[in-house]
Amino acid sequence: AQKITQTQPGMFVQEKEAVTLDCTYDTSDQSYGLFWYKQPSSGEMIFLIYQGSYDEQNATEGRYSLNFQKARKSANLVISASQLGDSAMYFCAMRDFYTGNQFYFGTGTSLTVIP
Amino acid sequence: DVKVTQSSRYLVKRTGEKVFLECVQDMDHENMFWYRQDPGLGLRLIYFSYDVKMKEKGDIPEGYSVSREKKERFSLILESASTNQTSMYLCASSPTGVTGELFFGEGSRLTVL
Repeated sequence: AQKITQTQPGMFVQEKEAVTLDCTYDTSDQSYGLFWYKQPSSGEMIFLIYQGSYDEQNATEGRYSLNFQKARKSANLVISASQLGDSAMYFCAMRDFYTGNQFYFGTGTSLTVIP
Repeated sequence: DVKVTQSSRYLVKRTGEKVFLECVQDMDHENMFWYRQDPGLGLRLIYFSYDVKMKEKGDIPEGYSVSREKKERFSLILESASTNQTSMYLCASSPTGVTGELFFGEGSRLTVL
C-alpha cells in the first residue's frame, strides 16, 4: 500500500506568490517523522523541513512551512514568496517507528515558478 | 561539511556487465540506503543497511546486491546489467531514529546499452 501520496504531478506558481504542495501519508504508528526534500534539475536532494508526529506546532524553516494536520494525515508544504530558484521537484517522505529505519517517498511534484 | 560521496556521476555500461556503485559517508551513520529514481515513480528503495554486514531488501531488490564491509561504505552491485536498469541511483545515509533526516549523495546516472 502506498505510504506517501502526492497527487499533484506538476504545479505552476507566479513569482512572489505562495504555493501549497500536497502530501498525505498512511501509518498506524504513533511515532513518525515527515520530511520534505527539494531536487533541482542538477539532481541533488536537498532537505527542506521536518515535522515530528508529536510536535504540536507546525514546522517552519525560512520561507518553508509544513501544514501538519494529524487527523487528516496530511503534511502539506507551503512555500511563501516563491522565487525562480524554487523551480524543482519536491518529494514528501515519511519514516515511522514500525518500519524502523526505512524512509518512504512520494512520487514527487514538479514546481515551476513563472516570472 | 558532512558528506555522502558516490564514486561516479555518470556511467555507461553494456548489457551483461557487472557494475559497482560505491558510496561513502563521513557522518558515522548507522543506516545507509540505495534508491533508484525514475520519472513518475519517485524514489524506490533497493536495499538498506542498518549496520556493518547487515542488509535488508527494499521494494525492488531483484537484479541487485549490496555489500557493507565497513560502516562508512555501502556498495550496490548489478551482477549482470540489463537495459531496464538504466536509471538514476541515489545513495543516502541517516542516523537511527524517526527524527533523523536522510543525507543524499549527488547521484549516479547509469546507462546500460
